Amino acid sequence: AQSVTQLGSHVSVSEGALVLLRCNYSSSVPPYLFWYVQYPNQGLQLLLKYTSAATLVKGINGFEAEFKKSETSFHLTKPSAHMSDAAEYFCAVNKGGGGNKLTFGTGTQLKVEL
Amino acid sequence: DAGVIQSPRHEVTEMGQEVTLRCKPISGHDYLFWYRQTMMRGLELLIYFNNNVPIDDSGMPEDRFSAKMPNASFSTLKIQPSEPRDSAVYFCASSSQGDRVTDTQYFGPGTRLTVL
Repeated sequence: AQSVTQLGSHVSVSEGALVLLRCNYSSSVPPYLFWYVQYPNQGLQLLLKYTSAATLVKGINGFEAEFKKSETSFHLTKPSAHMSDAAEYFCAVNKGGGGNKLTFGTGTQLKVEL
Repeated sequence: DAGVIQSPRHEVTEMGQEVTLRCKPISGHDYLFWYRQTMMRGLELLIYFNNNVPIDDSGMPEDRFSAKMPNASFSTLKIQPSEPRDSAVYFCASSSQGDRVTDTQYFGPGTRLTVL
């Protein structure tokens, strides 16, 4: 069964600092991986997705993620954090079985401090 | 497009009452998903439909929960009778057929349910 593990339920960075949110996947076949963001009192919004076309995926709002098969990782990064990046971030994997049924990680709450 | 629409946005009810949550997917989308989000269990997929047909309801917690999709533009999630442990935020999401594996799911704003 496919699953994702997000390391660190809470991450705090200073404004302007590097953002690194970790996600590791377990899959017996090449997975399709996603990062979603949830702002307070809103639904989830897709940041980016990996579909095997390129290992470095660029998303919205300056975020990017790199698929590393050797490390079974798909970490999310942003060079310079902004206050508006404060939100909860979810890594997800396609679970297979037809359709795009997703399994989500437990989420990482990002706090950005002045 | 207005995006995925959910109603109500907030629902407070008493234990034992019936609760109906509603969702209007994005026009033209043929997949519809219902999720539940709680602090304890995170984001869980309850059920999903393809072309109005339920495909996988293995995430539905128990018989008190039921979901229907009578047409392509409307779905309901019903809880009868409701219990305090059903308190959560319920999300509806939709996506299009296209590339079935990688198509983006678009989420609604959610319904925050509180069962007293």
